[in-house]
Amino acid sequence: DSGVTQTPKHLITATGQRVTLRCSPRSGDLSVYWYQQSLDQGLQFLIQYYNGEERAKGNILERFSAQQFPDLHSELNLSSLELGDSALYFCASSVLRGQGLMNTEAFFGQGTRLTVV
Amino acid sequence: GNSVTQMEGPVTLSEEAFLTINCTYTATGYPSLFWYVQYPGEGLQLLLKATKADDKGSNKGFEATYRKETTSFHLEKGSVQVSDSAVYFCALSDNGNQFYFGTGTSLTVIP
Repeated sequence: DSGVTQTPKHLITATGQRVTLRCSPRSGDLSVYWYQQSLDQGLQFLIQYYNGEERAKGNILERFSAQQFPDLHSELNLSSLELGDSALYFCASSVLRGQGLMNTEAFFGQGTRLTVV
Repeated sequence: GNSVTQMEGPVTLSEEAFLTINCTYTATGYPSLFWYVQYPGEGLQLLLKATKADDKGSNKGFEATYRKETTSFHLEKGSVQVSDSAVYFCALSDNGNQFYFGTGTSLTVIP
């Protein structure tokens, strides 16, 4: 058990709908990352939050948004869903240490499998 | 920019064979390097890591050495088991903004 909790584990929804994926990081971890894993594109970085603020943005579509709340949990919102959005969505958390803010490892949740029909 | 290039799979080995999965990286500065493993239906788990040049990470019989001169972090195991069948990801992290992952290498070990 990595200590990172993602809900729900599975989600089936129709095209055009909106869903929210939730992530609770490990206790004490301030940084949360979201990744999309699909068969044809591998592991794609979407976005990172650190202590409530957006820190880095990757290949995240405009239809997608995320936030990190004061209690450090994070939510990824996916709207106007398309068939191609079907994928595994992973959340990871890590602690940034030291003056240089060097990462330790990232700990991954079990993922949310999203199926858009 | 930062990137990780990983040996493409899939790789199929017989039990007790020697495993090498190549990984090279491009980075500015002094990154930390990681190998993650993903078993079917699960999330990524940290397998091993190295935070500076010449460090050797090891875990569960797997090893990888941080080679700055060749910008490499190859994963090795002397004798693989069926239970090692999984997808292996090489990754780097630089100044804390994000992790950069390779495309993953699928390993199947047959009895």
